[in-house]
Amino acid sequence: GQQVMQIPQYQHVQEGEDFTTYCNSSTTLSNIQWYKQRPGGHPVFLIQLVKSGEVKKQKRLTFQFGEAKKNSSLHITATQTTDVGTYFCAGVNSGYSTLTFGKGTMLLVSP
Amino acid sequence: DAGVIQSPRHEVTEMGQEVTLRCKPISGHDYLFWYRQTMMRGLELLIYFNNNVPIDDSGMPEDRFSAKMPNASFSTLKIQPSEPRDSAVYFCASSPRLARGAGELFFGEGSRLTVL
Repeated sequence: GQQVMQIPQYQHVQEGEDFTTYCNSSTTLSNIQWYKQRPGGHPVFLIQLVKSGEVKKQKRLTFQFGEAKKNSSLHITATQTTDVGTYFCAGVNSGYSTLTFGKGTMLLVSP
Repeated sequence: DAGVIQSPRHEVTEMGQEVTLRCKPISGHDYLFWYRQTMMRGLELLIYFNNNVPIDDSGMPEDRFSAKMPNASFSTLKIQPSEPRDSAVYFCASSPRLARGAGELFFGEGSRLTVL
């Protein structure tokens, strides 16, 4: 079946430090989406990447899609306490129609 | 728009009881998804509908689970009989398009189920 692996599982940083989470698939993805889930909340869509090598920025967040469309990353510059939550990548494998979610990276930011 | 609405937000029941979870998708969204979230397995797709028709239910764990969508504005996920291992947060999500077609998911706030 479809599998999307995400690392690390958990990261604890001091406010102001950078953070990166990585997403890997054994098969080529047609596109990848990123979601954020606050503690006790529901996943909220952040962004979608479609093109090989695509890079998109949202303020302090930078999203990348690998050249082979098998991996992706989310980098947060200078984390803030409001960045706390679990970040999920979700990919669509070629030949499939629906998203397969990674298990997420839980980010904790200490002031 | 009110977003995806789920009820109940919390349900505590005893093993063997029937559980019904409800969802109202965003108006105009043709796709409705039911996900289950646990610490061990993460977010799992259980079933999805297109225009009220079930398209893929391969994620439904077993015959104790069933889902219906009688009309465009309402769906239910039923577990009968419930078991402790069904304890999880169940999310309903809707989308105007499939993910392959660049459709993002809009999640409801979830129903937290505890089966004792």
